[in-house]
Amino acid sequence: GENVEQHPSTLSVQEGDSAVIKCTYSDSASNYFPWYKQELGKRPQLIIDIRSNVGEKKDQRIAVTLNKTAKHFSLHITETQPEDSAVYFCAGPNNAGNMLTFGGGTRLMVKP
Amino acid sequence: DAGVTQSPTHLIKTRGQHVTLRCSPISGHKSVSWYQQVLGQGPQFIFQYYEKEERGRGNFPDRFSARQFPNYSSELNVNALLLGDSALYLCASSPITGSTGELFFGEGSRLTVL
Repeated sequence: GENVEQHPSTLSVQEGDSAVIKCTYSDSASNYFPWYKQELGKRPQLIIDIRSNVGEKKDQRIAVTLNKTAKHFSLHITETQPEDSAVYFCAGPNNAGNMLTFGGGTRLMVKP
Repeated sequence: DAGVTQSPTHLIKTRGQHVTLRCSPISGHKSVSWYQQVLGQGPQFIFQYYEKEERGRGNFPDRFSARQFPNYSSELNVNALLLGDSALYLCASSPITGSTGELFFGEGSRLTVL
């Protein structure tokens, strides 16, 4: 009950287009789903998170949606900009609730 | 306020040696977690400590150990290094234990095992 799978592994978009990254999880008791952004050579940083009592959360150009029935959550970035280029990781709690399990990451490239 | 600080930032070891990595959490944070990030992969959970007690352990061999000190700083020790231990070791602090709050990561310690 600890697996978090993330797709796609790489994503290339034109500047101004939207990008969507999807993650699936296996533990139905999971209730917290963060997204982290890691720029090249930098630390991962939280960009948005969602808890299981809501289905969608927005913060300017980024949004996260959660479908608990299907056990998946997605990151949406609109009006992409070159500075959005980075690796994005989703994460979810393990069934013991004592650690975050990270997905394999999505390398987003925004072409100017 | 200072963020999470880790030392050393880079180090090179040879197989069979041991290494100690250090982490200072954000002031006021009592929880420290350690993650291993192999190039091109997501961070893999190693340990979580809260109030100086181990609260979680990932699927890593006993060569990996950690501890948390009264000032909430932490050390990660790895014995009998293998080539496969080469990775970025990330420390993250949080004001709470468990997995339902934001993790604040340090810049990491990049370990190369030759």
